[in-house]
Amino acid sequence: DGGITQSPKYLFRKEGQNVTLSCEQNLNHDAMYWYRQDPGQGLRLIYYSQIVNDFQKGDIAEGYSVSREKKESFPLTVTSAQKNPTAFYLCASSSTSGSVTKNIQYFGAGTRLSVL
Amino acid sequence: GQQVMQIPQYQHVQEGEDFTTYCNSSTTLSNIQWYKQRPGGHPVFLIQLVKSGEVKKQKRLTFQFGEAKKNSSLHITATQTTDVGTYFCAVRAAYSGAGSYQLTFGKGTKLSVIP
Repeated sequence: DGGITQSPKYLFRKEGQNVTLSCEQNLNHDAMYWYRQDPGQGLRLIYYSQIVNDFQKGDIAEGYSVSREKKESFPLTVTSAQKNPTAFYLCASSSTSGSVTKNIQYFGAGTRLSVL
Repeated sequence: GQQVMQIPQYQHVQEGEDFTTYCNSSTTLSNIQWYKQRPGGHPVFLIQLVKSGEVKKQKRLTFQFGEAKKNSSLHITATQTTDVGTYFCAVRAAYSGAGSYQLTFGKGTKLSVIP
């Protein structure tokens, strides 16, 4: 069953705590993305990676960090420096080849992060 | 960076009425995609438009790409309760490099359908 798996579905963070959101894909996609969604807002890009061991900051990278050690995995850490982390976090992946399917993004089910 | 405006932000329609959402960019686009997010769900890809003036249909949904490749619309004919959700456009600027894959999403149009 191919797709993108995000875990956990719900996560609670204490003040001053770092938390890590998991994103795994078995679609053999080179590119992976992290988005933040707030109520009434669109999807804002946090970080993206187009190849293993390389990633780029998106529009709202401050207070977040990522790694891309494996093609299948792109974990996101929400650090204590992110003062307003409560949001819905979505991971996505896309192929970087194929004239028709390239650039279409496939999303995981998301993680809802709340601050205690 | 690339910016895209999507209107309206909210739309409430009676079941059976039509619905249209618009996406506008100040710059020429390479392509535009449309996604649907059901309440509590995640965005799901609907369609991609690439050519100037392109029109594509999926059952009751009609997608158009403007002649200047700066705007697009999604029209739903005779809405049903299953159409409820938020519809997002996602764009890639024409000046994006060949190796650039990230998209810029609009803020979405939230559609409510009254039975």
